[in-house]
Amino acid sequence: DAGVTQSPTHLIKTRGQQVTLRCSPKSGHDTVSWYQQALGQGPQFIFQYYEEEERQRGNFPDRFSGHQFPNYSSELNVNALLLGDSALYLCASSPTHLRDAFYGYTFGSGTRLTVV
Amino acid sequence: AQSVTQPDIHITVSEGASLELRCNYSYGATPYLFWYVQSPGQGLQLLLKYFSGDTLVQGIKGFEAEFKRSQSSFNLRKPSVHWSDAAEYFCAVALSGGYNKLIFGAGTRLAVHP
Repeated sequence: DAGVTQSPTHLIKTRGQQVTLRCSPKSGHDTVSWYQQALGQGPQFIFQYYEEEERQRGNFPDRFSGHQFPNYSSELNVNALLLGDSALYLCASSPTHLRDAFYGYTFGSGTRLTVV
Repeated sequence: AQSVTQPDIHITVSEGASLELRCNYSYGATPYLFWYVQSPGQGLQLLLKYFSGDTLVQGIKGFEAEFKRSQSSFNLRKPSVHWSDAAEYFCAVALSGGYNKLIFGAGTRLAVHP
């Protein structure tokens, strides 16, 4: 059973460009959350998608946007890239039909984004 | 605002020695509590979690953690560390019910000497 799959694994972009990161959730999971992990820090919650809608958002600017597709996969888009956007971007999926979704919270290996 | 504090940025132990990683949280109610491990360039792997009940929780790889409500702490322990335990460890909290958003501490980097 495949876990959470993220692509690409590494990416280098120039300041001002736009980037799209992709996430395929674990089979049976319908909720996708995105986290940003800057070097030497813990992951920070960006937003969460459920039923193709943004359900909750962390303290990130509107340059960060997302999308969830009918097959539950998700994209994270970042516009007008800044040097400070360089980080590991982690996707986590979870089911909502369990009593508590944390029993099935699963992280992908992440996309390493470098902005130069 | 909710927060998680991991006071130790770096810890070095000898292989075979015991380990305790500290975690304190600031939350109005008792949250769900987690410990994750991250190897270099990898995602996060769940070591253990506490939702309710017995305050001593057993996890994978021989780790355990104890929830102490009076101290708002959830410290991670292992009686005998192996070289393969060298990694970064993150404590995280979440509100029970509602949406499953995690709040992480800054992490503790563990080095193991042979």
